Amino acid sequence: GQQVMQIPQYQHVQEGEDFTTYCNSSTTLSNIQWYKQRPGGHPVFLIQLVKSGEVKKQKRLTFQFGEAKKNSSLHITATQTTDVGTYFCAGKTGNFGNEKLTFGTGTRLTIIP
Amino acid sequence: EAEVAQSPRYKITEKSQAVAFWCDPISGHATLYWYRQILGQGPELLVQFQDESVVDDSQLPKDRFSAERLKGVDSTLKIQPAELGDSAMYLCASSHRDRGPMNTEAFFGQGTRLTVV
Repeated sequence: GQQVMQIPQYQHVQEGEDFTTYCNSSTTLSNIQWYKQRPGGHPVFLIQLVKSGEVKKQKRLTFQFGEAKKNSSLHITATQTTDVGTYFCAGKTGNFGNEKLTFGTGTRLTIIP
Repeated sequence: EAEVAQSPRYKITEKSQAVAFWCDPISGHATLYWYRQILGQGPELLVQFQDESVVDDSQLPKDRFSAERLKGVDSTLKIQPAELGDSAMYLCASSHRDRGPMNTEAFFGQGTRLTVV
């Protein structure tokens, strides 16, 4: 079945340093979504990318969707303590009306103040 | 603000007992997902509904798990009999049906933390 892997599994950074997580799917995706899950919380939607090569920015966060629509990345510039949490990509596959949303393995970000 | 409602929030059950979880999605959301999340891992899709129809249950252990969404609104996930390895967070999420380039993000409920003893 479809697999969505993320690296690294864990990342510890000093506050103010940058952070990047990479997402790779075993199959071509119709779109990719990113979610953030705070400790003890549930996943919360961040963004959706649809087009090949698409780049979107949200303040200090930059999201990219690969040309082949099989990989994606999330980059955070100058991390802050509020960025702590686990970041998941989620890839959508399947035909219209039968789409499936598969979550990646996640990257857990901890910040050293 | 509309939310996905789940109950109960916590459930402790003995192995071999039956347990059920309930989810009420955001009004108007055609797609409903049940995910299982083991601590430290990503959510694993168990079953996905489009209205009242199952569109994917390939990862649902059908010998012990069942799910229904009879009227295409709220949903129930049942485990019978529960096993020790079923201890996890069970998350329900809902979304609009896909609409091309428009966002169809999944909105998650608070989850049900199941502990099987």
